[in-house]
Amino acid sequence: GAVVSQHPSWVICKSGTSVKIECRSLDFQATTMFWYRQFPKKSLMLMATSNEGSKATYEQGVEKDKFLINHASLTLSTLTVTSAHPEDSSFYICSARSGPLNTGELFFGEGSRLTVL
Amino acid sequence: AQTVTQSQPEMSVQEAETVTLSCTYDTSENNYYLFWYKQPPSRQMILVIRQEAYKQQNATENRFSVNFQKAAKSFSLKISDSQLGDTAMYFCAFMGSGGSNYKLTFGKGTLLTVNP
Repeated sequence: GAVVSQHPSWVICKSGTSVKIECRSLDFQATTMFWYRQFPKKSLMLMATSNEGSKATYEQGVEKDKFLINHASLTLSTLTVTSAHPEDSSFYICSARSGPLNTGELFFGEGSRLTVL
Repeated sequence: AQTVTQSQPEMSVQEAETVTLSCTYDTSENNYYLFWYKQPPSRQMILVIRQEAYKQQNATENRFSVNFQKAAKSFSLKISDSQLGDTAMYFCAFMGSGGSNYKLTFGKGTLLTVNP
């Protein structure tokens, strides 16, 4: 199957700093990528839909100025958590669709665990 | 908006036995897709099985099968001959079929533990 890779897999930062997480589709082109946030033993909450070459579409309640998403190429999307605070600590997961929107399978990255001190 | 409900936060099963994970959903759409995803401890999510709503036949993938009841909006996952490697968090997910609905809505998950 297709491979989606996230980097870094874990990161610790100080409050007030910004952190960038990368999501790459290694062996396929992904016009659409999705960013999720997962709290411990909880479900995945969709944060935004990232479309190559256009602005991301954010879900209700997600601060677009706080969570900057850039989808500069068909194989790379980045999530930048700006001015991170301890409440931003979470597991962030990206996914990318391979194939048509209605039938293409969704492949997930390994996730990135962010801890803000 | 669509909702997905998994009423069993945790389940356990003995190795080699069969277990069924329940999932119900709510939607006004007639055509959509349903999925079960598996998230092993400290590993990435992988697709277990998918079902198109327009297909009456239940999907099957080796030891994994679903019981799709469209009228009841129910989509349960049956795991036969459970193996230790099946231990994971299982998420039921819904995807609509039009417009901006090509995004997944997940249930809260069921933590399945397979005991030796």
